[in-house]
Amino acid sequence: GAVVSQHPSRVICKSGTSVKIECRSLDFQATTMFWYRQFPKKSLMLMATSNEGSKATYEQGVEKDKFLINHASLTLSTLTVTSAHPEDSSFYICSATYMTGNQETQYFGPGTRLLVL
Amino acid sequence: AQSVAQPEDQVNVAEGNPLTVKCTYSVSGNPYLFWYVQYPNRGLQFLLKYITGDNLVKGSYGFEAEFNKSQTSFHLKKPSALVSDSALYFCAVRDRGPGGSYIPTFGRGTSLIVHP
Repeated sequence: GAVVSQHPSRVICKSGTSVKIECRSLDFQATTMFWYRQFPKKSLMLMATSNEGSKATYEQGVEKDKFLINHASLTLSTLTVTSAHPEDSSFYICSATYMTGNQETQYFGPGTRLLVL
Repeated sequence: AQSVAQPEDQVNVAEGNPLTVKCTYSVSGNPYLFWYVQYPNRGLQFLLKYITGDNLVKGSYGFEAEFNKSQTSFHLKKPSALVSDSALYFCAVRDRGPGGSYIPTFGRGTSLIVHP
């Protein structure tokens, strides 16, 4: 199947600093990538939809200036958590849409564990 | 609007026994249906999907799921559970009708625990 990578897999930072998380589709081009946040033992919360070459579409309640998303190419989307605070600590997962013919499937990255001290 | 329900927070099964993880959905059109598995501290792995065709879909690791349109269900099954199947399982649906939402909706997840 299609492979999606995330970097870093784990990051610890001080409160007030910014953290950038990369999401790459390794063997396919993804016009659309998604960013999710997952709390312990909870389902995925969609944060935003990222389309290559255009502004991301944020879900209600997600701060655009807090979670900056850039989709610079068909294989790379980045999420920057600006001025991180302890409440931003979470597991962040990206996914990319893989098209085969007229069928699409989302493939997920391995996730990034963010801990803000 | 589309929605997914996974009625069980947790499913317990003995190794070697058959397992079922339930999922029901609601969409306005014809659905795309998916199952994903998540191991601790990992991202989601695609297991299988139903788009059209046979109602019984076979996927990775011996899992299968049966699409039942009349009951709007897409239960995940495996004939013989392994301890290594213990994980969090997510069902997802995407409406593929005209004007349907492009983004899949995920269930809240079901924790499967397989006891030795």
